[in-house]
Amino acid sequence: KNQVEQSPQSLIILEGKNCTLQCNYTVSPFSNLRWYKQDTGRGPVSLTIMTFSENTKSNGRYTATLDADTKQSSLHITASQLSDSASYICVVSSVGDSNYQLIWGAGTKLIIKP
Amino acid sequence: DGGITQSPKYLFRKEGQNVTLSCEQNLNHDAMYWYRQDPGQGLRLIYYSQIVNDFQKGDIAEGYSVSREKKESFPLTVTSAQKNPTAFYLCASSIQPGSEQYFGPGTRLTVT
Repeated sequence: KNQVEQSPQSLIILEGKNCTLQCNYTVSPFSNLRWYKQDTGRGPVSLTIMTFSENTKSNGRYTATLDADTKQSSLHITASQLSDSASYICVVSSVGDSNYQLIWGAGTKLIIKP
Repeated sequence: DGGITQSPKYLFRKEGQNVTLSCEQNLNHDAMYWYRQDPGQGLRLIYYSQIVNDFQKGDIAEGYSVSREKKESFPLTVTSAQKNPTAFYLCASSIQPGSEQYFGPGTRLTVT
C-alpha cells in the first residue's frame, strides 16, 4: 500500500534554531516528492520538488534532501523565524501506466517560540 | 493562494441540508481538484477534473458531487448523504495533471 509517514507529529523550537523534519515513503512507482508549507487555516504552498535523480534542493532557508534508495526525505530549516510556524507536508506522486496519484503525509506541525 | 479563490471562508449548515462550496481560478489551468483535510490526517482527494465537462471520483467521493461547466469554476456540493461533512475543504488547480498544484485559501464547513 502506498504510504507517506512524517515525523515528528509536532515540534517546538526556539527562534533562531535549526530543525529537521522527516518523511518516509513506500510509494511505487515513484515520480517526485514535494514539500508544502501550510499556514493555519490556509492552503498549502509548495516549497520544493525533487525527482528521483535529485539529492538536495534548497529554497532560501529551506533545504530538502532525498534518498531514493532508503525512500526517505528530510526538510531542514535553518535559523528559524516566527513566520516558519506552520504545518509542513510531504507529498509523493506516483505515475503508473494510466494512473496518476498523489500520496499525502499527515504533516509535521512546527511551532517557533520567541 | 495565487489566482484561486474559495468562498465562503466559513460555512455553517444544519444536518440534512445540501451545501455548495465555490472554487474559481484565473490561472488558465486545465486540472482542478477538491480535497478534504481533517486534523491529524493527510489531504484526501474527493474529486478531480482534468478538463472542462469531465471529472473523476477521488478516494472519498461518496456524499459529494461536482460540476465543471467552465474552465475557471469547479464547485463542490456536499450532500446530506455525506455522513461526516464537518471539515476543512481545499480546492486546487494545476496546468495539467501531474504538475504542481496551487491551492485556494480553503473553506471550513461546520454541520450541526
